[in-house]
Amino acid sequence: DGGITQSPKYLFRKEGQNVTLSCEQNLNHDAMYWYRQDPGQGLRLIYYSQIVNDFQKGDIAEGYSVSREKKESFPLTVTSAQKNPTAFYLCASKSGHYTDTQYFGPGTRLTVL
Amino acid sequence: QQQVKQSPQSLIVQKGGISIINCAYENTAFDYFPWYQQFPGKGPALLIAIRPDVSEKKEGRFTISFNKSAKQFSLHIMDSQPGDSATYFCAASKSGSGGSNYKLTFGKGTLLTVNP
Repeated sequence: DGGITQSPKYLFRKEGQNVTLSCEQNLNHDAMYWYRQDPGQGLRLIYYSQIVNDFQKGDIAEGYSVSREKKESFPLTVTSAQKNPTAFYLCASKSGHYTDTQYFGPGTRLTVL
Repeated sequence: QQQVKQSPQSLIVQKGGISIINCAYENTAFDYFPWYQQFPGKGPALLIAIRPDVSEKKEGRFTISFNKSAKQFSLHIMDSQPGDSATYFCAASKSGSGGSNYKLTFGKGTLLTVNP
């Protein structure tokens, strides 16, 4: 059963703590993405990676970090430097350079207490 | 600067009616225009997509109309059903070599409610 999995589905964090959101895909896709979704704001790109061991900042990278050590995994760390981290986080993947369709995971809802 | 403007923010239609959502873009280099459907608490799912070489694409009850000169594209949902109630996002990107097609720019979304 191919697809993108994100865990956990719900995550609660105390202020000042770092948390890591998991994203795994078994689609053999080269590119992976992290988006943040806030009500009425659409989806905003945080980070993306087109190949293993390489990633670039998106539009709102401040306060976030990523790694891409394996093709199938692209974890996102929300650091204490992110001032307003409560949001719905979505991971996506795409096959390669010459395809355009991005497929999304089910999302993780992060709440800062 | 918002590169893809989507309207309306919310839309209520009756069952069997036509739902129309509009998007306008600014970057003339964009050449891929998908629409995503998202149900509450779920990730977006690709609904239908179009490229500028055609003015219309239809898949079942869903149609994209594309106007390159006006830099606008729209989603039409025919015979709208309560199960279509969801948030719809338009997006745009430019494809090409060198990995330049990495980024989808999204509209802010339209919440569609189809009343029974």
